[in-house]
Amino acid sequence: AQSVAQPEDQVNVAEGNPLTVKCTYSVSGNPYLFWYVQYPNRGLQFLLKYITGDNLVKGSYGFEAEFNKSQTSFHLKKPSALVSDSALYFCAVRELDNRLAFGKGNQVVVIP
Amino acid sequence: SAVISQKPSRDICQRGTSLTIQCQVDSQVTMMFWYRQQPGQSLTLIATANQGSEATYESGFVIDKFPISRPNLTFSTLTVSNMSPEDSSIYLCSVVSRDRLTEAFFGQGTRLTVV
Repeated sequence: AQSVAQPEDQVNVAEGNPLTVKCTYSVSGNPYLFWYVQYPNRGLQFLLKYITGDNLVKGSYGFEAEFNKSQTSFHLKKPSALVSDSALYFCAVRELDNRLAFGKGNQVVVIP
Repeated sequence: SAVISQKPSRDICQRGTSLTIQCQVDSQVTMMFWYRQQPGQSLTLIATANQGSEATYESGFVIDKFPISRPNLTFSTLTVSNMSPEDSSIYLCSVVSRDRLTEAFFGQGTRLTVV
């Protein structure tokens, strides 16, 4: 089965500083990787995906992610964090039957 | 993209009762899933909702507890039956096409509290 891991529980960052949320994957074959964000009392919103092509993927709200095959990682990044980026972030991989397998999630806290 | 309407958005229910959650999509999609997100946890797949046939349940989830219907390509319901406080969670429906290049879309979730 495909899986992803998010090793950290909470990521604290000062407003204006770079934000990184880590994700590693374990898949057989080509990985289909996704990042979602969940704001309080909201559903999951799609941020970006890696299917194939360029290793640097750009997504919504200024986020990007770098696919690294040798390190089996797909870290989410934002050059300058905003207080409004405080939310729960999930990395996910698409399984062969099209379901998603999620990481445990990372709470991001951006400190003003 | 797909727009998903999920309702109710939240509810507080008495133990022993049942709640039915509805998921309506604005376009025909081939695959619909129901997930549970327990407090402070990640998302766990409950079942795949199959059109016109019985849902496919994941290990640990059974039809008697979580009956699912999907009468057509744009609508599905999940019922949480005979509820207990342990069922307090966020329940989310998700839709995706069979094209593996596309992302999944989620409803806004139903926050269920069982008292």
